[in-house]
Amino acid sequence: KNQVEQSPQSLIILEGKNCTLQCNYTVSPFSNLRWYKQDTGRGPVSLTIMTFSENTKSNGRYTATLDADTKQSSLHITASQLSDSASYICVVSDRGSTLGRLYFGRGTQLTVWP
Amino acid sequence: EADIYQTPRYLVIGTGKKITLECSQTMGHDKMYWYQQDPGMELHLIHYSYGVNSTEKGDLSSESTVSRIRTEHFPLTLESARPSHTSQYLCASSAGGERKLFFGSGTQLSVL
Repeated sequence: KNQVEQSPQSLIILEGKNCTLQCNYTVSPFSNLRWYKQDTGRGPVSLTIMTFSENTKSNGRYTATLDADTKQSSLHITASQLSDSASYICVVSDRGSTLGRLYFGRGTQLTVWP
Repeated sequence: EADIYQTPRYLVIGTGKKITLECSQTMGHDKMYWYQQDPGMELHLIHYSYGVNSTEKGDLSSESTVSRIRTEHFPLTLESARPSHTSQYLCASSAGGERKLFFGSGTQLSVL
């Protein structure tokens, strides 16, 4: 069964600290993995995409990694800000059809305290 | 900033009412989607469309229906709302073979 598991479920950190969110998946065949940020009361917004051949990709203070062998991805947030408080969702796409099906994780709820 | 709009943002209605959730995008995307999201849970696909006059049911069974008469418009209708329909409904779009989704801000539906 294709699944996407995220950990931790929730996380509280102090402003300025770093944190790492995890995503493990069993989706096969694998096409790509995206991290989305969802602010409270808003729709998710794409942060970064990782394809099979990519190991690391950065988007400002966000750095995503992918280990396609172990089927794990992480999202590292550096020097956290209050505006980083949100749910971070891992989404994996397969190659089973023309469009590919999307598999969503339940998200990690990050809270940044001042 | 994604140009995809959903109205209303919040809706509280009584059981048995008919409702339509509106979704419009100005990006010219051919593909549009409706997702249902409950607190702490993953998004579930309930409807999608590859283009005008094309609609399909998603992975999660839903009593709602959709239509795609115009590229930019993808409304979702519930003929008779029930408390079990209480949830957040997110509309999204994507272009061509790209799987990057652009989401609206969602409609939080509460059925009493």
